[in-house]
Formats: sequence, structure tokens, C-alpha cells
Amino acid sequence: AQSVSQHNHHVILSEAASLELGCNYSYGGTVNLFWYVQYPGQHLQLLLKYFSGDPLVKGIKGFEAEFIKSKFSFNLRKPSVQWSDTAEYFCAVSRLGGTSYGKLTFGQGTILTVHP
Amino acid sequence: NAGVTQTPKFRVLKTGQSMTLLCAQDMNHEYMYWYRQDPGMGLRLIHYSVGEGTTAKGEVPDGYNVSRLKKQNFLLGLESAAPSQTSVYFCASNKVDRVYGYTFGSGTRLTVV
Repeated sequence: AQSVSQHNHHVILSEAASLELGCNYSYGGTVNLFWYVQYPGQHLQLLLKYFSGDPLVKGIKGFEAEFIKSKFSFNLRKPSVQWSDTAEYFCAVSRLGGTSYGKLTFGQGTILTVHP
Repeated sequence: NAGVTQTPKFRVLKTGQSMTLLCAQDMNHEYMYWYRQDPGMGLRLIHYSVGEGTTAKGEVPDGYNVSRLKKQNFLLGLESAAPSQTSVYFCASNKVDRVYGYTFGSGTRLTVV
């Protein structure tokens, strides 16, 4: 079974600091990759997704992620965080083909706290 | 366009009680899913459906049943609630094509006492 690992449980930054959240997955076949954000008390919102093509993906709110196939990684980055980025971030993977049916496997989540 | 609607939003149950969570989508999506979210564990798939009248088990199906009698609705049932089922439940729906259009509902917070 595939698994997704997010290395950091809780990251604390000051405003304007740079952010990188790690995500690794275990499945060796073709995958779709996602980052979701969940603001306190809200449901998941899609930040960005990778299906194919350019491995550097840009999403909403200034976030980007880089797919490195050889490392099975899909790390999330933002050059300068804001207080409003305080939220929990989830990496998710969906494998293609067969009986995948678009099922997502999520990482454990990383809580980001940004101090003003 | 409402997207994915979950009812109820909050519920408190006593151990042993039963209840049904309703998920409704108006996007004509074929696939629907139920996930549960627990601290430090991300979201885990309970059951899913790839079309009307079909359901399948996900990663953590024990203690839950589902039904998809109509394409737009996906019901999650707890026959005899246990404290371990205290969680936030999310429904999602998805298109049947390669460009996945996952849409999540706003969640149901369930507490079993």
C-alpha cells in the first residue's frame, strides 16, 4: 500500500520567513500529487496539484511545489510567509490506473504557525 | 452551485447510538468518498463509491456502512457508535477523468460520549 510522509509535525515561523514543507511518498508508479490547506475550523482547500509536465508547480497565495521523481518528493515552498498562512497543510497522493478511482492517500499533516 | 453539502455539521452521540451522515453533490460526479480526520493522522479513507449502486471499502471501514442509492447522494452510517469514532468526517466527490476535480464538503464534527 502506498504511504505519504510529512516530515514536520509543527513548524513555527516569523512573518517574511521562507517556508519549505517536506512530503515523500512510497508508490513507484505514476501519481498525481496535491497540497491542501486547512484553516482553523474550515474544510480542505486545494493549494496546488501536479499531474504531468513541468515539475515546478505554482498554486494559489504564492505557494509552489517541486516534484522530484527520483526522490519521490513533492515539497511545498513559499518565499515569504504571512500571518494569514497559519493553518494545517496536507500532502496527498493519488496513483493512476487500475482500481485507483482517484482515491487520495494523505500525509499526517503539518501545522504551520506564523507569528506577526 | 452548492458543490458538496454535508449534514449535519455537528453531532454528539452516546455510545451505542446510531446515526447517518448525508453527503450530497450537485456536480454530476461519478466518484464519492468518505474520509475521517484525526489529529496527527491526516485524512483516512473509510468507504468510497464509483457510481450509483456501488460501494467499496477504504482504509478504515470497520464500524461504518455506506449506501449510494442515488448518484448525487452518499450516506455514511454508524450502527453502534463508539468513542473511537469521535472524529471529523469529510465527504468528497470527483470527476471520472484524468484531471481530477476533487471537491470536499465542509465536514461533520462527531463526538461520541
